[in-house]
Amino acid sequence: NAGVTQTPKFRVLKTGQSMTLLCAQDMNHEYMYWYRQDPGMGLRLIHYSVGEGTTAKGEVPDGYNVSRLKKQNFLLGLESAAPSQTSVYFCASSYAKTGTMNTEAFFGQGTRLTVV
Amino acid sequence: AQSVTQPDIHITVSEGASLELRCNYSYGATPYLFWYVQSPGQGLQLLLKYFSGDTLVQGIKGFEAEFKRSQSSFNLRKPSVHWSDAAEYFCAVGGNTPLVFGKGTRLSVIA
Repeated sequence: NAGVTQTPKFRVLKTGQSMTLLCAQDMNHEYMYWYRQDPGMGLRLIHYSVGEGTTAKGEVPDGYNVSRLKKQNFLLGLESAAPSQTSVYFCASSYAKTGTMNTEAFFGQGTRLTVV
Repeated sequence: AQSVTQPDIHITVSEGASLELRCNYSYGATPYLFWYVQSPGQGLQLLLKYFSGDTLVQGIKGFEAEFKRSQSSFNLRKPSVHWSDAAEYFCAVGGNTPLVFGKGTRLSVIA
């Protein structure tokens, strides 16, 4: 089982460049999430989606956009990369359960992004 | 707003010693609580979760955690630590909202 797959695993960008991170899950999960991980900060939610065609802002959405055109994919875009966006990005997914948004989040292996 | 506090940034224990990692949460509704582990360069793996029922939950790799509503805590324990347990541990709270994570506790294991 592939689970949650993130592409690419590593990337170096120059300030001002754009890029898209792809997350794909094969578990038929309704909910998908993008987090960023920075030293000493834990994981912070960027954007999330509760189903195909939906997106919502998380704790740190500025500078990022997302799209969920297909249920299995969740794309994270950086339109104009800044050094402050240097981070490790994690995608996660979870299945829907009545009364709760998620019962368990399954994580990808992460994308290490450096903006110079 | 919901939040998770992990008071210990870094803990060092000897192999074979017991371990307790602390987690306190703030959540307005019934909390769903999780502990995840992250090995260097890896993603997060679920250790255990609490939704309801028995307040002592068992997880993988010999870990357990106890939910104490009166203390808003969900501490992680292991009776005997192995060198392979060295990693970063994250407590998280969720339910009707996406998971909110603590800042993590890094565990070092010495011989």
